[in-house]
Amino acid sequence: GNSVTQMEGPVTLSEEAFLTINCTYTATGYPSLFWYVQYPGEGLQLLLKATKADDKGSNKGFEATYRKETTSFHLEKGSVQVSDSAVYFCALASPGAGSYQLTFGKGTKLSVIP
Amino acid sequence: DGGITQSPKYLFRKEGQNVTLSCEQNLNHDAMYWYRQDPGQGLRLIYYSQIVNDFQKGDIAEGYSVSREKKESFPLTVTSAQKNPTAFYLCASSIGVAPGQPQHFGDGTRLSIL
Repeated sequence: GNSVTQMEGPVTLSEEAFLTINCTYTATGYPSLFWYVQYPGEGLQLLLKATKADDKGSNKGFEATYRKETTSFHLEKGSVQVSDSAVYFCALASPGAGSYQLTFGKGTKLSVIP
Repeated sequence: DGGITQSPKYLFRKEGQNVTLSCEQNLNHDAMYWYRQDPGQGLRLIYYSQIVNDFQKGDIAEGYSVSREKKESFPLTVTSAQKNPTAFYLCASSIGVAPGQPQHFGDGTRLSIL
């Protein structure tokens, strides 16, 4: 079956530090990959996505590249801000039956301190 | 603005009681979903619906029921058979069933046991 593995949190960084949150996956075929962000007390918001190998998704300074050879979709940001403090979820959707169903990682909590 | 509205934001259940969580969307999306979120466990799919009057069980459907009588509404009932209902419940929708289509989330309902 499909699965997503994210790095364990929590992650604590100082403002303006570089961020990497690792995400690897197991899936049949060529899945679509997503990063979602959840701010305290809220639902999830789509941060970025990539639908085929070597695609780079980007939004609000965050980037992730779909690496088929390493089955990875690591999230990066060059300079984090306090407002980036949230929980980040990596997710995938596989083609075929049930392709609209998302499989989520367990989430990585990021805290950015001034 | 289009979006997904979940209500109530907080809900308390007594032992042996059924409670219903509301989810309404005005995005004209065909597919709708219910997830359960527990600390450190990511999101798990309870039920999903691709079209009106049709829905399917997800990974953890036991103790829950849904209906989809209207395109914009997908209420979730947590029955007394659900022995551990305390969690954060998230409703989502997507425009269709292609794997690249992202899901849009509501702000969630937090259910607790009295």
